[in-house]
Amino acid sequence: EAGVAQSPRYKIIEKRQSVAFWCNPISGHATLYWYQQILGQGPKLLIQFQNNGVVDDSQLPKDRFSAERLKGVDSTLKIQPAKLEDSAVYLCASSTSGTGGHGYTFGSGTRLTVV
Amino acid sequence: AQTVTQSQPEMSVQEAETVTLSCTYDTSESDYYLFWYKQPPSRQMILVIRQEAYKQQNATENRFSVNFQKAAKSFSLKISDSQLGDAAMYFCAYRSVWAGFQGAQKLVFGQGTRLTINP
Repeated sequence: EAGVAQSPRYKIIEKRQSVAFWCNPISGHATLYWYQQILGQGPKLLIQFQNNGVVDDSQLPKDRFSAERLKGVDSTLKIQPAKLEDSAVYLCASSTSGTGGHGYTFGSGTRLTVV
Repeated sequence: AQTVTQSQPEMSVQEAETVTLSCTYDTSESDYYLFWYKQPPSRQMILVIRQEAYKQQNATENRFSVNFQKAAKSFSLKISDSQLGDAAMYFCAYRSVWAGFQGAQKLVFGQGTRLTINP
């Protein structure tokens, strides 16, 4: 099966600019996650979708970050305006819903550098 | 809230030898899942092994095995016969079983251990 697709792979922007990341999950996966991974740290959940509804965005800096999942499939994460501390890898993952103990399938991430 | 701690930022091992990566976690839940993920330079998280907390038997996947000590809240990963391709960042992760009103479960990650394999 195809994996989780993310684009772009790299992005360099100046502070105060805006940027958007795209994710296409595995077909049929109802749950989609966006994680932020700052260099030298483990990934941290930003937002979680169940189909096209948000179920957890408690760690999302809502003054500058936004995300949507149209029709319960693709998702877009946006940052506006970007700050230097937003430099990180943004990982998208998807999983089937339910309480199974299966792990996620991750994409290869987008490395964002804010200068 | 659950937390995961990996106290070894870096580890190195000679090729063909055995190495153990440590992980501890904190939770008040009695049932949960634990995972080890590998992250090579390609950045994609790859599932190495998982353990269900209600199972006493330690999980094993080929050269990878875990030592799960539930009472001590410890979950270490042992890599036997280390290979050059094992070099990567390794992350320990926790996931609740109970979904709660917020839906499906998120993964809580440790800080990671960078594993180097010396030829």
